[in-house]
Amino acid sequence: SQQGEEDPQALSIQEGENATMNCSYKTSINNLQWYRQNSGRGLVHLILIRSNEREKHSGRLRVTLDTSKKSSSLLITASRAADTASYFCATLKVFSGGYNKLIFGAGTRLAVHP
Amino acid sequence: DGGITQSPKYLFRKEGQNVTLSCEQNLNHDAMYWYRQDPGQGLRLIYYSQIVNDFQKGDIAEGYSVSREKKESFPLTVTSAQKNPTAFYLCASSIGTSVPYEQYFGPGTRLTVT
Repeated sequence: SQQGEEDPQALSIQEGENATMNCSYKTSINNLQWYRQNSGRGLVHLILIRSNEREKHSGRLRVTLDTSKKSSSLLITASRAADTASYFCATLKVFSGGYNKLIFGAGTRLAVHP
Repeated sequence: DGGITQSPKYLFRKEGQNVTLSCEQNLNHDAMYWYRQDPGQGLRLIYYSQIVNDFQKGDIAEGYSVSREKKESFPLTVTSAQKNPTAFYLCASSIGTSVPYEQYFGPGTRLTVT
């Protein structure tokens, strides 16, 4: 079963606007990661936030994590056409015995129009 | 250049044939993974390997097989037992299985079985 669920499923904005994507998850996590996927390509790691962190920044990206609500958001400021892609959240669950698993959501498809 | 390569980019097979997808990495990573992605969906884990000569089933291993004879290579065989093999297959690697567990992805192989 999928742990992370992104919202919205699709988002269409104009260049220069901010884009906010949300991710909810069900069980406790060690960390939460955001990845980007251009159409027909592999995923690229964007940012990781640990369960004891509340906010993290990287360039035009801002990620927040609310463990009490089991949710995270990814904000892309001043969006560009090149930001058009699908964005996935992935939660890391740590099991006993050294087994770790990344669980991906279905993603948000972002379209930024010039 | 360090990275993960997958070949071929597109693969076409007739139903009933086994097919092997290649994944090679020169990042010196211990852990490697295979995911399946269906249209509009997130990633589902097929198999993973934490170390050479060892691998574990993921969430959807039925109809797939892997080997890990070398650190750099983790080929995936899609067997005729896989009922719905047409999908986009992504290989990934990470330094190890200890947290934070960031994964690096290859460009993917799109498999079409008719």
